[in-house]
Amino acid sequence: AQKVTQTQTSISVVEKTTVTMDCVYETRDSSYFLFWYKQTASGEIVFLIRQDSYKKENATVGHYSLNFQKPKSSIGLIITATQIEDSAVYFCAMREVQGGRALIFGTGTTVSVSP
Amino acid sequence: EAAVTQSPRNKVTVTGGNVTLSCRQTNSHNYMYWYRQDTGHGLRLIHYSYGAGNLQIGDVPDGYKATRTTQEDFFLLLELASPSQTSLYFCASSDARAPLFGEGTRLSVL
Repeated sequence: AQKVTQTQTSISVVEKTTVTMDCVYETRDSSYFLFWYKQTASGEIVFLIRQDSYKKENATVGHYSLNFQKPKSSIGLIITATQIEDSAVYFCAMREVQGGRALIFGTGTTVSVSP
Repeated sequence: EAAVTQSPRNKVTVTGGNVTLSCRQTNSHNYMYWYRQDTGHGLRLIHYSYGAGNLQIGDVPDGYKATRTTQEDFFLLLELASPSQTSLYFCASSDARAPLFGEGTRLSVL
């Protein structure tokens, strides 16, 4: 069965620094997609970045990048040059390509960015 | 523009009541999902569907029914609502590459 685990419940950083969040997953599929989402204070869930399991290169979008370590079933999110508005809850998610194709989420990491 | 629209945005009902939450997507996505979000649990999958007439069971299906009437519309039904179903509900649609979420429905069961 699929499972996504985020062990860090909260992280506090100072503005303009880098924050790293961890996520590990379990799947029996050889192909899958990994996602990171951000939930803002208003409750909106926003898609940030995706990693395809067959790609070796780490995905990067703006100041978001991923640290994909397939042998460890790990997909970390790195946010560089953090801003106050990066304060949010960040969710990791996985979707198998061939399996049940459910989109399964971790429990989230709350990031607080202070001046 | 791609969109997922949920209605109602807020709902209050009593224990034992019937509730239907609606979700419509205009993205031509095959997959649609219903989640509930509770503090400490993240987003938990209730039901999902890969097309009209199809229904797949998620991780927390007890007490919920769902129906996908068209490519665009996916409904979540609570036929005998209980206080434990008080939660924030999200719908999402996906073509596998970029799942998109609705704005959520806050349900209170008194």
